[in-house]
Amino acid sequence: AQKITQTQPGMFVQEKEAVTLDCTYDTSDQSYGLFWYKQPSSGEMIFLIYQGSYDEQNATEGRYSLNFQKARKSANLVISASQLGDSAMYFCAMREYRGSTLGRLYFGRGTQLTVWP
Amino acid sequence: SAVISQKPSRDICQRGTSLTIQCQVDSQVTMMFWYRQQPGQSLTLIATANQGSEATYESGFVIDKFPISRPNLTFSTLTVSNMSPEDSSIYLCSVGERDRGKLFFGSGTQLSVL
Repeated sequence: AQKITQTQPGMFVQEKEAVTLDCTYDTSDQSYGLFWYKQPSSGEMIFLIYQGSYDEQNATEGRYSLNFQKARKSANLVISASQLGDSAMYFCAMREYRGSTLGRLYFGRGTQLTVWP
Repeated sequence: SAVISQKPSRDICQRGTSLTIQCQVDSQVTMMFWYRQQPGQSLTLIATANQGSEATYESGFVIDKFPISRPNLTFSTLTVSNMSPEDSSIYLCSVGERDRGKLFFGSGTQLSVL
């Protein structure tokens, strides 16, 4: 079974609107971390936001917030006030924590976001 | 966060040749990784670069094809050997934060093999 599922291959949003990128994950571990990365057409991977499984509040970083619903195993990324520069591929990822050992980082297949004026 | 310099940023290579990609970090790091991203795909871990010992390769990747060096805690290289068009990908160096395992990535190397 896939560890990370991103069901939206592509999303479109108008500039200044908010957009939600979906991510669901699969783990039986209680301790894990969820990450979102942005990959512009230049190819670099840019870290956006992190949510720990024990964090009680949803993570926020500027215009990015993570809608964490633990029971549903979802970790959707919300981008508020979209900008043209937000057009990129977005990857959701998860890492399981097992004591002092960091499990491998699993990536989803990505969602291509296009922001139009 | 670590600053990671990766070069070359892109290259076009002939079939059968080899390319070495360099990754330099501005601070000492324990965990350093190499990823491959084939066109339109997600990231796949090639190997963990271990300082002072052989790299740890993931299933499907072998040392003869992707030799890795890690001479110190700030530098690593990945060589793509005997290239074929199927090796055309983005190759990314990354370093890991110890406590949460957050990864920081280099700018990537876009490789095209003709």
